[in-house]
Amino acid sequence: AQKITQTQPGMFVQEKEAVTLDCTYDTSDPSYGLFWYKQPSSGEMIFLIYQGSYDQQNATEGRYSLNFQKARKSANLVISASQLGDSAMYFCAMREDFSGGYNKLIFGAGTRLAVHP
Amino acid sequence: EAGVAQSPRYKIIEKRQSVAFWCNPISGHATLYWYQQILGQGPKLLIQFQNNGVVDDSQLPKDRFSAERLKGVDSTLKIQPAKLEDSAVYLCASSHPAGDGTDTQYFGPGTRLTVL
Repeated sequence: AQKITQTQPGMFVQEKEAVTLDCTYDTSDPSYGLFWYKQPSSGEMIFLIYQGSYDQQNATEGRYSLNFQKARKSANLVISASQLGDSAMYFCAMREDFSGGYNKLIFGAGTRLAVHP
Repeated sequence: EAGVAQSPRYKIIEKRQSVAFWCNPISGHATLYWYQQILGQGPKLLIQFQNNGVVDDSQLPKDRFSAERLKGVDSTLKIQPAKLEDSAVYLCASSHPAGDGTDTQYFGPGTRLTVL
């Protein structure tokens, strides 16, 4: 069963507009973490934002915010004021309970974002 | 602070040949990971080290893949012999316990392997 689902293979947005990238997840573990990474064409995975399952507030990091809806098991990434440099693949990832040192990230298939001038 | 270093960046080999990738994690990071990213997919964990011990290698094809992390710092991932389906980007990541449970993983630039 797919644990992380990103239903949008591709998205485009006009420069300076906001865009939401969808992510839904599946876990029965009460303790987990959700991550978003950006992968430009150069290939490196760049950490953007983290949300813990027990966090009461939605995470924010600069222009990035995470719309965390626990009951719906969704963790959408919102990018405000898009820039041309935001064009990249975006991956949602989940880490289940890390007791015992296991810290495996399970990634979705990604969403390719294109920012148009 | 220097990031995760990987080499080579690109490698092209014939099937049945051997290949090795090197990773140097962020200084002080005890945990090191190797991921395989096939074109069009998200990365998949191959192996996780805590210092120089293996924590999780459940998805490592052990008949052809091996990895080591001597002295708990640098790591090498080897494929012997390579198959066509091993063509992928191999990403190395490292993390340090944050105390708050985040343990964010930071990735290197990856090695793009093409098997002909």
